[in-house]
Amino acid sequence: DAMVIQNPRYQVTQFGKPVTLSCSQTLNHNVMYWYQQKSSQAPKLLFHYYDKDFNNEADTPDNFQSRRPNTSFCFLDIRSPGLGDAAMYLCATSTGTGGPNEQYFGPGTRLTVT
Amino acid sequence: GQNIDQPTEMTATEGAIVQINCTYQTSGFNGLFWYQQHAGEAPTFLSYNVLDGLEEKGRFSSFLSRSKGYSYLLLKELQMKDSASYLCAVSDSNYQLIWGAGTKLIIKP
Repeated sequence: DAMVIQNPRYQVTQFGKPVTLSCSQTLNHNVMYWYQQKSSQAPKLLFHYYDKDFNNEADTPDNFQSRRPNTSFCFLDIRSPGLGDAAMYLCATSTGTGGPNEQYFGPGTRLTVT
Repeated sequence: GQNIDQPTEMTATEGAIVQINCTYQTSGFNGLFWYQQHAGEAPTFLSYNVLDGLEEKGRFSSFLSRSKGYSYLLLKELQMKDSASYLCAVSDSNYQLIWGAGTKLIIKP
């Protein structure tokens, strides 16, 4: 089945220790998104790629970086995680073309910072 | 600014009907989505409305009024598994999703 995969599902890192979250998709979608979601809050868009074009949200901290080496994979790098970065990180994809253009989400990575 | 409002929490009884409302103010409109999110899981797509009116899909229906900036999600014959958060999201002029904080729906037996 075509899907969006995130690894790992749970990640524990130490304060200030760099961490990388990964996302892959078999949907062959043009657009990939990274969201941060904290408990009982709306998902917050961090960045998205339309193909190789990178779009950074204005309020995304510099501590967060992203890479998309090819259509299938996208990575979220947190250079120096703080306690406030503990959250669920959601990867999503969409076709980026006309129509509903709904987003398909991976299962998420829950990040704990100790 | 852009804003999506929906109730924080609602409670309903198994077998009953519940309506979850969403009002929005966005820069541009390219459709409104409803997603379901179970605790600790990712959102899953439920419905999409871009024209005024009602879209029905099994036990779930979604309504849109663009002139009023208003939508609702109607859930019929509620089941315990419907206990989840329901997120309203609007696609703005740049086709980016503006998300509401979600409505936590609690189903009681």
